[in-house]
Formats: sequence, C-alpha cells, structure tokens
Amino acid sequence: EVQLLESGGGLVQPGGSLRLSCAASGFTFNKYAFNWGRQAPGKGLEWVSGISTSGGSTYYVDSVKGRFTVSRDNSKNTVYLQMNSLRAEDTAVYYCATGPHIRAIDYWGQGTLVTVSS
Amino acid sequence: QSVLTQPPSASGTPGQRVTISCSGRSSNIGSNYVYWYQHLPGTAPKLLIYMNTQRPPGVPDRFSGSKSGTSASLAISGLRSEDEADYYCAAWDDSLSGWVFGGGTKLTVL
Repeated sequence: EVQLLESGGGLVQPGGSLRLSCAASGFTFNKYAFNWGRQAPGKGLEWVSGISTSGGSTYYVDSVKGRFTVSRDNSKNTVYLQMNSLRAEDTAVYYCATGPHIRAIDYWGQGTLVTVSS
Repeated sequence: QSVLTQPPSASGTPGQRVTISCSGRSSNIGSNYVYWYQHLPGTAPKLLIYMNTQRPPGVPDRFSGSKSGTSASLAISGLRSEDEADYYCAAWDDSLSGWVFGGGTKLTVL
C-alpha cells in the first residue's frame, strides 16, 4: 500500500524558513516522481513544485521560485521542500504527491499545515 | 484565478447523474492527460480518473471521465450521499512546465 507521510509543518514568522519532509513507503521510491501541492484556507488545490525520478529536473510555480527548493534522498525514501522567505500567503496545508513520472499524480498524502504569521 | 475552469458548485439527488466540466487550453488539456480528484477537507485527495478516462482499481464505475479538445468532463451516475465532496480537474501545462488545477467543484447531494 502506497503511503506518503508529510511532516515539518508549523507556525513560522514572515521571512522565516521551514523544511517539509515526505516519507514514502509501499512502492519503489526511485522509480517515482514527486510533486508538492497546497491548499490555502478556503481555497482550492494549487501545485507548488515537482521533482523527477532522478532528481535531475525540478519545477516550481512562479510564486515560489527562488524561495522554495525541492529535493529527494533516494537512500531515505524521502522528499523535501525547503521553504525560505515565507510569506503570509504561503499559509496552507501542504501535500506530498507521487506518480510514475512528473506528468502523473496518482497518490497524495494527508498533508501538513504551515502557518505564516507574526 | 485558476488556469483550468470548473463550475464552483454542482448538485443532484440520490440516483441522479451529474456532470462536472473542466475547461483549459491547448498547452494543458489540449496536449496532456486530464486527472480528476475527489477531496474531503482534512484528508488526502483521492485519484478518481487518470489519463482522461481511466479508473484506478477500487473506484466505482459510476465515475467516468471524458475529454474533447481543450475540455474535459467528469460524470457521476447513481449519485450517493458519500459522493458529497470537492472535485478537482488537473493537467500538466507545457507552457508553465508545471501542473495546473481547476478551482474545484463542490458537489452537494440533496
């Protein structure tokens, strides 16, 4: 059974940083690409970032380019989202998602809440 | 404003058939597969339809997807109370090099 477990969310001040982790199990980790999505309060789902199976290609929505960095550690079956220079508008539940390639999203995690507030 | 356009709400009575539309452009729906997700707040979004029309194992055949040009649709037949949820369409966008989502459709079973 595919399982994605996000962690690392919490309350952070504007301008601060957080690193989200996504621990994956139940499938061959290094054969899958990963994406991060988010849902702000009262809003719909929004894609944030993606990383290819090899980690050689990364993708970002314009609003987080230069501030967020996605990475993966195939030895730990874990994907990370480093979030710097956080803004109030980054407040959301962040979801990890995976599929057999970057253009497929088959499974999602339960999410972790990030609140950016002073 | 979302790149893909969905109606914000839809409704039906038990047993009815409802359809949710999703409109995009040539760089997303027009050239890539459409995915549909069911989402209840506080839970993991669930894949309902992949590659425009395919159902994953365990998804009832009451759910079906279609695509034509730059638009797609999700149909739910034999509506049940447990179908009440938010539904999202999504596709990869070649111009943006990323995923784009619809704004979501809140389905109410009357």
